[in-house]
Amino acid sequence: DVKVTQSSRYLVKRTGEKVFLECVQDMDHENMFWYRQDPGLGLRLIYFSYDVKMKEKGDIPEGYSVSREKKERFSLILESASTNQTSMYLCASRETGVLVTEAFFGQGTRLTVV
Amino acid sequence: RKEVEQDPGPFNVPEGATVAFNCTYSNSASQSFFWYRQDCRKEPKLLMSVYSSGNEDGRFTAQLNRASQYISLLIRDSKLSDSATYLCVVNRDFNKFYFGSGTKLNVKP
Repeated sequence: DVKVTQSSRYLVKRTGEKVFLECVQDMDHENMFWYRQDPGLGLRLIYFSYDVKMKEKGDIPEGYSVSREKKERFSLILESASTNQTSMYLCASRETGVLVTEAFFGQGTRLTVV
Repeated sequence: RKEVEQDPGPFNVPEGATVAFNCTYSNSASQSFFWYRQDCRKEPKLLMSVYSSGNEDGRFTAQLNRASQYISLLIRDSKLSDSATYLCVVNRDFNKFYFGSGTKLNVKP
């Protein structure tokens, strides 16, 4: 069974803090993703990575950065947290193949910025 | 315009009913299509892929209409356990997946 594990289920941070969200997958997948999910807006892609040290901006990268130093780990960094970054953050991974394959998600981190 | 649009619902149906959801997508270059299921406070999980010819998995049937740019999900003989939010997902450009905001289904006894 593929497992994607996010380091925290719930986080509360103060405005201006630097926040790290960690994600680890155990299936040797090349591709990893960070999304945020907000009511009425669905999941929106923040960043993705297709290999170690490689990263690509998604649709809403502003205010975020990422790090992928090891294949199994993809970190999302909020450089200076703001209240509009309060959201559910979901990490996902999938393998590379000829066909577009299923993405497996972590359980999510609900971040509240106060 | 959103990449993927879904009716948010909720759809409230009795057990045993047949229910259908539609989802429209805006970019004709979209290549792959999926339905994901998300239970309350849980992560999304793949329900089924959607193939051009349509496909069925037990009580679930998915259809794709490229000409009109929509996909559909039909659930027959609804169970209480089918209560969830159903996310329509469209893929293009390799790693770009676009999610709808979901359709909520409540199946009642």
